[in-house]
Amino acid sequence: NAGVTQTPKFRILKIGQSMTLQCTQDMNHNYMYWYRQDPGMGLKLIYYSVGAGITDKGEVPNGYNVSRSTTEDFPLRLELAAPSQTSVYFCASSSYTDARTSGRRYEQYFGPGTRLTVT
Amino acid sequence: ELKVEQNPLFLSMQEGKNYTIYCNYSTTSDRLYWYRQDPGKSLESLFVLLSNGAVKQEGRLMASLDTKARLSTLHITAAVHDLSATYFCAVPVSTSGTYKYIFGTGTRLKVLA
Repeated sequence: NAGVTQTPKFRILKIGQSMTLQCTQDMNHNYMYWYRQDPGMGLKLIYYSVGAGITDKGEVPNGYNVSRSTTEDFPLRLELAAPSQTSVYFCASSSYTDARTSGRRYEQYFGPGTRLTVT
Repeated sequence: ELKVEQNPLFLSMQEGKNYTIYCNYSTTSDRLYWYRQDPGKSLESLFVLLSNGAVKQEGRLMASLDTKARLSTLHITAAVHDLSATYFCAVPVSTSGTYKYIFGTGTRLKVLA
């Protein structure tokens, strides 16, 4: 099991450029998430997905788009990059059901992150 | 809107000392998660607390959950330098049957030799 993988690890973009951050998980999790973490700060949820074909906005969705065509993949698209999007981006996955009946943990598993700089 | 607050935000402590990090949240939840993040690294799951009164311990760290008070604590016993990291709590919140996690602000812990 590779867990959650992200590519690229680092990227520098010029203002106005676009790019896609890739995220793949091999744990057959139904939930996947994208977060951003600004320097010295906590995590902010950008988008999340509860399964293939279903996505929803988080706290800070502006400037981003997502799609979920398969269970495994959840790419994050940045259109017209801006300096305010300089951040570290983390993808995560989990399988969430009623822990009281299943007794399972259902914590999130995080990828290694993508460090993005927009100049 | 759910708020998850941690305190303190920064904690500098001597090796061998004890201390507690607090995580307060503003809405009902029956579970809570603690994560550790080393500088420049990703988040690693520490504890999963699944019910009121849950207590989990690993090494010098012990976490507890009081769902009635909407409070979780992460207690550090006899701190060592290796515990230096940022610690986050996270609370799952349901929106129309789907779940997302709201993270606390984080507590940056530095253990001094």
